[in-house]
Amino acid sequence: GENVEQHPSTLSVQEGDSAVIKCTYSDSASNYFPWYKQELGKRPQLIIDIRSNVGEKKDQRIAVTLNKTAKHFSLHITETQPEDSAVYFCAADLNRDDKIIFGKGTRLHILP
Amino acid sequence: NAGVTQTPKFQVLKTGQSMTLQCAQDMNHEYMSWYRQDPGMGLRLIHYSVGAGITDQGEVPNGYNVSRSTTEDFPLRLLSAAPSQTSVYFCASRPQGITGELFFGEGSRLTVL
Repeated sequence: GENVEQHPSTLSVQEGDSAVIKCTYSDSASNYFPWYKQELGKRPQLIIDIRSNVGEKKDQRIAVTLNKTAKHFSLHITETQPEDSAVYFCAADLNRDDKIIFGKGTRLHILP
Repeated sequence: NAGVTQTPKFQVLKTGQSMTLQCAQDMNHEYMSWYRQDPGMGLRLIHYSVGAGITDQGEVPNGYNVSRSTTEDFPLRLLSAAPSQTSVYFCASRPQGITGELFFGEGSRLTVL
């Protein structure tokens, strides 16, 4: 079955610096890769996603890159702000069996 | 639109008791799923359904049952609760056949003593 690995588990960056979170997936048939943000005590919410026919997608300060050959995808947050502090989850969607598998999450701390 | 509604928000059970976590969505989504969230373990898929009358197992199905008699509802049953089932449970839905955003409920925190 699909397996998604996410690194690092914890990340601390100075406010204004960039943060990068990386994920790998096991099933080459996966074709959709979303990223969710979960603030403390809240539900996960989608922040950006990318499909397998696209290599990069950007939305203001966040961007996602996908390397299908290496089965890697990454989340990039630039000019980090205090409100970026949260847990971030990557996921892989294997459309053929409808399982959406999540990574274990990265707790991002933005330091003042 | 209420979105995805989960009840109860909090529950304490004794080992061996049974209970049902309710999940309802009003977006006419065919796909519904249950995840559990534990510290350091991320979101793990328990069961999912692609439509009324159809359910399938996820990554961690043992100890849980589901049914899908209507498009709107997807209850999760614990027949004999164990302390290992202490967790936060999330229900999530999306339109079937379309890769896209999962809409999560607010979560249900379950403690099994």
